[in-house]
Amino acid sequence: GAVVSQHPSWVICKSGTSVKIECRSLDFQATTMFWYRQFPKQSLMLMATSNEGSKATYEQGVEKDKFLINHASLTLSTLTVTSAHPEDSSFYICSAPRGGGTAYQPQHFGDGTRLSIL
Amino acid sequence: AQSVTQLDSHVSVSEGTPVLLRCNYSSSYSPSLFWYVQHPNKGLQLLLKYTSAATLVKGINGFEAEFKKSETSFHLTKPSAHMSDAAEYFCVVSDWTSYGKLTFGQGTILTVHP
Repeated sequence: GAVVSQHPSWVICKSGTSVKIECRSLDFQATTMFWYRQFPKQSLMLMATSNEGSKATYEQGVEKDKFLINHASLTLSTLTVTSAHPEDSSFYICSAPRGGGTAYQPQHFGDGTRLSIL
Repeated sequence: AQSVTQLDSHVSVSEGTPVLLRCNYSSSYSPSLFWYVQHPNKGLQLLLKYTSAATLVKGINGFEAEFKKSETSFHLTKPSAHMSDAAEYFCVVSDWTSYGKLTFGQGTILTVHP
């Protein structure tokens, strides 16, 4: 069964709305989680690293004021797309490594959130 | 720095025939390599991983991959394709300097014909 749960799976909303996406590790604690964005027919691009109890680390070119990340507990990270516009429409996926953020542990991925901004 | 190149954007096979998805990597350090599969509108599922143990890695659903350092390759194979294998496959690299960050290849879409 799934070890990382992502909610909601599909969101359609009006331009200017803020949307919150949740990512939960179900049977392990994740001090680090990762948020990715995937455009149609493209690969995953890392947006940010979510760190429990501290600020997220954003990749170059990602607006931190646009994509707010909160990692308030060891099992939950949230991504809020603030004042979303049609260009923010995409597939957002989170992942969490079991055993901490090392190179050797495979990541467990959520099922993704399809965000459509009208 | 690390990078991954998946040599084919699309691969089409007939059911029951072998599958080969090619991946070359670049890493300044000993890499960890993964293959993930993604079905439409779904997250990614781990097929297999290489982390400096045996160079021939067996994964789920009959897939396997061989790490070849001299060729900087990590190709994914399966002896006999099944219709349910149709999906997109990602080759992924990481190393100890990346602190868990993954670098993805561009993806290979596998189509399986009856």
